[in-house]
Amino acid sequence: DVKVTQSSRYLVKRTGEKVFLECVQDMDHENMFWYRQDPGLGLRLIYFSYDVKMKEKGDIPEGYSVSREKKERFSLILESASTNQTSMYLCASNADRRSTGELFFGEGSRLTVL
Amino acid sequence: KNQVEQSPQSLIILEGKNCTLQCNYTVSPFSNLRWYKQDTGRGPVSLTIMTFSENTKSNGRYTATLDADTKQSSLHITASQLSDSASYICVGPRGGGADGLTFGKGTHLIIQP
Repeated sequence: DVKVTQSSRYLVKRTGEKVFLECVQDMDHENMFWYRQDPGLGLRLIYFSYDVKMKEKGDIPEGYSVSREKKERFSLILESASTNQTSMYLCASNADRRSTGELFFGEGSRLTVL
Repeated sequence: KNQVEQSPQSLIILEGKNCTLQCNYTVSPFSNLRWYKQDTGRGPVSLTIMTFSENTKSNGRYTATLDADTKQSSLHITASQLSDSASYICVGPRGGGADGLTFGKGTHLIIQP
């Protein structure tokens, strides 16, 4: 079975803390994505990567950075967490860059910043 | 701006009843729409994809339709079950030749016993 694993389901952090969200996929997919999901706003793309060491900004990259040192792992970093980054974070991967390519999502990481 | 809009925003129906969720798109050029199901607290999972040449596609009790003339897709759920309670998200291409996807905001469906 296809699997995307996010390291933490729930996190509570304080304003100003550095936060790491880890994502690992076991499908040998080239492409990996980080989204955030907020009520009434749907899924919004933060960053994505089409290859190791490669990263591209999505629609809302401000306040975030990413790292892709290995093909199977894509990390999202909040350098200095703020309350407006309280959200559900979803990692996804796929093998097909075309819009027809199915995204495989992790279970999500719900982050609360106090 | 390319968009995917879903209706209703939320829906409550009794177990065993049928329902239809709508997705209107203005993506151009259009190539496909995919429906995802997202259970509460979980990641979305693909239900089906509709390509330009397809009108209807079924996946068990789920039937998706596509009308390219009106730029509408619908997801029909037959004989609903409690496990159908979820958010259903319609996703299309970003359009304009760009990579990437455009997400609808989803329909939150609640099945009551």
